[in-house]
Amino acid sequence: QVQLKESGPGLVQPSQTLSLTCTVSGFSLTSYHVSWVRQPPGKGLEWMGVIWTGGSTAYNSLLKSRLSISRDISKSQVFLKMNSLQTEDTATYYCASLSSSFDYWGQGVMVTVSS
Amino acid sequence: DIQMTQSPSFLSASVGDRVTINCKASQNINRYLNWYQQKLGEAPKLLIYNANSLQTGIPSRFSGSGSGTDFTLTISSLQPEDVATYFCLQHNSWRTFGGGTKLELK
Repeated sequence: QVQLKESGPGLVQPSQTLSLTCTVSGFSLTSYHVSWVRQPPGKGLEWMGVIWTGGSTAYNSLLKSRLSISRDISKSQVFLKMNSLQTEDTATYYCASLSSSFDYWGQGVMVTVSS
Repeated sequence: DIQMTQSPSFLSASVGDRVTINCKASQNINRYLNWYQQKLGEAPKLLIYNANSLQTGIPSRFSGSGSGTDFTLTISSLQPEDVATYFCLQHNSWRTFGGGTKLELK
């Protein structure tokens, strides 16, 4: 069945770079695109960016200067890197396939930005 | 970027009530609008895709309508298990979420 699972550090120091991995199963990254979405504690959802089936990317304009999304098709993995982290980047980070009815989410990973 | 304005941000209703939640897009998104339900500590769950198509396994009391810039999620008869936060998502151009509606029982 379709699954997505995020992994990465739970704690990142301010000004450092966040690196997260999304491992997918049950579908190919060349058939469905994968987005990253985050949710600060008690707040709403923010779409961060996407890697399309062809490998091109698109980013939320508010995060574009700090964000990079890439993938390894052979490992069925999608990567997120975001630099210059601040306390307001504390959130649960999800990877998800957001495509009409093919809509699947990972369980999310909580990332705290603190010294 | 397309902006999504969701209303109301908070809603209190009784069991059996008809509930409506709205999303307005800053430009035409055709029917590329999904609705999600999120319960505390869980990932969002898809209810409605492409404005009015019910996702498999979702109760028929949930329905969606609209096209262009104005969209509505309706719960025909509110049940206790519907207490949650609801979000819309446009997927016409990149992706944008609405701000969310927290639904509580009166």
